[in-house]
Amino acid sequence: QSALTQPASVSGSPGQSITISCTGTSSDVGKYNFVSWYQQNPGKAPKLMIYEVNKRPSGVSNRFSGSKSGTAASLTISGLQAEDEADYYCCSYAGSTINYVFGTGTKVIVL
Amino acid sequence: EVQLVESGGGLVQPGGSLRLSCGASGFTFSSVWMSWVRQAPGKGLEWVANIKKDGSEKYYMDSVKGRFTISRDNARNSLYLQMNSLRVEDTAVYFCARYGVAGSGFDFDYWGQGTLVTVSS
Repeated sequence: QSALTQPASVSGSPGQSITISCTGTSSDVGKYNFVSWYQQNPGKAPKLMIYEVNKRPSGVSNRFSGSKSGTAASLTISGLQAEDEADYYCCSYAGSTINYVFGTGTKVIVL
Repeated sequence: EVQLVESGGGLVQPGGSLRLSCGASGFTFSSVWMSWVRQAPGKGLEWVANIKKDGSEKYYMDSVKGRFTISRDNARNSLYLQMNSLRVEDTAVYFCARYGVAGSGFDFDYWGQGTLVTVSS
């Protein structure tokens, strides 16, 4: 099972909005509404930011939103802040045989 | 407060074995599925294995099937990963992660800080 495809990096200025794409297949992103997004700072554990495509866990800023269309999912960060600079990974459930596949990861750079 | 604390990592030679542990607190451990996810140095996240609440179902990524065994002790609130026949490519930080409880559970809502496994001669 190949990793989901994400851009290596996305950059934006403070206050802007950016979108990170996550491209999968008809066996994972396209088949299940179980796409989640994780934020990871250097040397730290990942943090759940979005689950089930577009739901935010308690405590996560509403500047983070998720969506999905076909075999592609996306994470949008609005009102970009310096603290948002981190690596972001998407993840999709892919059925009981493969279980989970993560994305290649995207480094968000705040200019 | 939910806490997951991994231990057991270290340096091991190719072909060797290691057992990772993850102690859980702050939630009812026996009520949730648990997983191991790893991250090779400078690389992305990779799901390794997961285990049902009562330990009756276990799933593994292809490259570790037959070599790794996930288990749990609900009485001790602990998750384990027995790793045998280790390969250089198993070198990674290993995270234990809890299945999400807010929705249908197909995500990981809490993670430990990770334990580093280095396979090298």
